[in-house]
Amino acid sequence: EAGVVQSPRYKIIEKKQPVAFWCNPISGHNTLYWYRQNLGQGPELLIRYENEEAVDDSQLPKDRFSAERLKGVDSTLKIQPAELGDSAVYLCASSLVFGIKNIQYFGAGTRLSVL
Amino acid sequence: GESVGLHLPTLSVQEGDNSIINCAYSNSASDYFIWYKQESGKGPQFIIDIRSNMDKRQGQRVTVLLNKTVKHLSLQIAATQPGDSAVYFCAEAGGTSYGKLTFGQGTILTVHP
Repeated sequence: EAGVVQSPRYKIIEKKQPVAFWCNPISGHNTLYWYRQNLGQGPELLIRYENEEAVDDSQLPKDRFSAERLKGVDSTLKIQPAELGDSAVYLCASSLVFGIKNIQYFGAGTRLSVL
Repeated sequence: GESVGLHLPTLSVQEGDNSIINCAYSNSASDYFIWYKQESGKGPQFIIDIRSNMDKRQGQRVTVLLNKTVKHLSLQIAATQPGDSAVYFCAEAGGTSYGKLTFGQGTILTVHP
């Protein structure tokens, strides 16, 4: 079974440019997450989707970040315009929530460098 | 605010030794915990989870211990191998949102052959 697929793996852009990341979750997983991971730290949640609905976007900087999950499957995360401080690894995860149990499976991430 | 943290940022062991990685959490409402392993250039990989109604759970070569009294979680790896070298994160969920995992900073485990 394929895991969570993310693309691109790496992205280098100049500040003020837009950038987009794509995620294909594990088939059948209804919940999708976008995390940001800074060097030497644990992942921090940006947004969580249950099917098509964004149920938690409290940590998403909405002035420059946007996300969508059309048809409740694939998702894209966009930054416009990018700032130097946005350099990080952006991780996508998916899960099939069953009661309290919520094992999130992660993709390999997109490493973003903003110059 | 609530947070999950680790006592030791680095751990160095010899191949074949047992490893113990510790984690302290502060959210008393947490009732579900997960350990992840993250190798360089990869996303976190699920190792084992435990619910708060348990104090011990075993997997293949790994054991997670939960002490709710002192809000402490540990991951024990038996017969550590070079392939176990990675960063290990504990994460917790519970309270008002089971969907949100809060991660600690991570412990770097290095296994010397």
